Amino acid sequence: EIVMTQSPATLSVSPGERATLSCRASQSVSRNLAWYQQKPGQTPRLLIYGASTRATGIPARFSGSGSGTEFTLTISSLQSEDFAVYYCQQYNNWPPRTFGQGTKVEIK
Amino acid sequence: QVQLQESGPGLVKPSGTLSLTCAVSGASINRNNWWSWVRQPPGKGLEWIGEIYHTGSTNYNPSLKSRVTISTDKSKIQFSLKLTSVTAADTAVYYCATISPEGYFDYWGQGALVTVSS
Repeated sequence: EIVMTQSPATLSVSPGERATLSCRASQSVSRNLAWYQQKPGQTPRLLIYGASTRATGIPARFSGSGSGTEFTLTISSLQSEDFAVYYCQQYNNWPPRTFGQGTKVEIK
Repeated sequence: QVQLQESGPGLVKPSGTLSLTCAVSGASINRNNWWSWVRQPPGKGLEWIGEIYHTGSTNYNPSLKSRVTISTDKSKIQFSLKLTSVTAADTAVYYCATISPEGYFDYWGQGALVTVSS
């Protein structure tokens, strides 16, 4: 099983600032990595797939990078609607399909 | 646009069986993707439960495999989850979701909270 580890657990950021979230895989997942956003009481929403491709309708301030075992999600200028929990998920080796434990982005 | 909707009892007794159904609209059940269940205990992260392909092939999370069955009902365009011998640890919001041919979760249902309690 590939274990996904996200850091930090919580990120405190002021609106308008840049946020950088990390996701590490226990073994290489190539670029088969997705990011999801989940707001309180809502369903997870696909943000990024293929490590760096934005899903339909996702604003350009969201960008993904990385390959192998190290990945980054960057939100260039945080808007109020971006405060949420973010999960990474690998789809290179399955089953099982595995998620990271999440990073909560909160208002500083 | 694929739409998914979970339904089923919101309360299950310990040692009982959790049963949920996911109604699919906007897509054929024979679509080239996996149909999946994911759960999220209160205040915690996402856990993949398992999936089924339209051919009937299934994959399950090893941690739940002995208790899980996922099936499809093509005539009703829906797929189902059964989880046996439940305990309080199975209390969670259960999501049905589709998995793209590449492997990421592209469409999600709204989720169904299932509480295990006597």
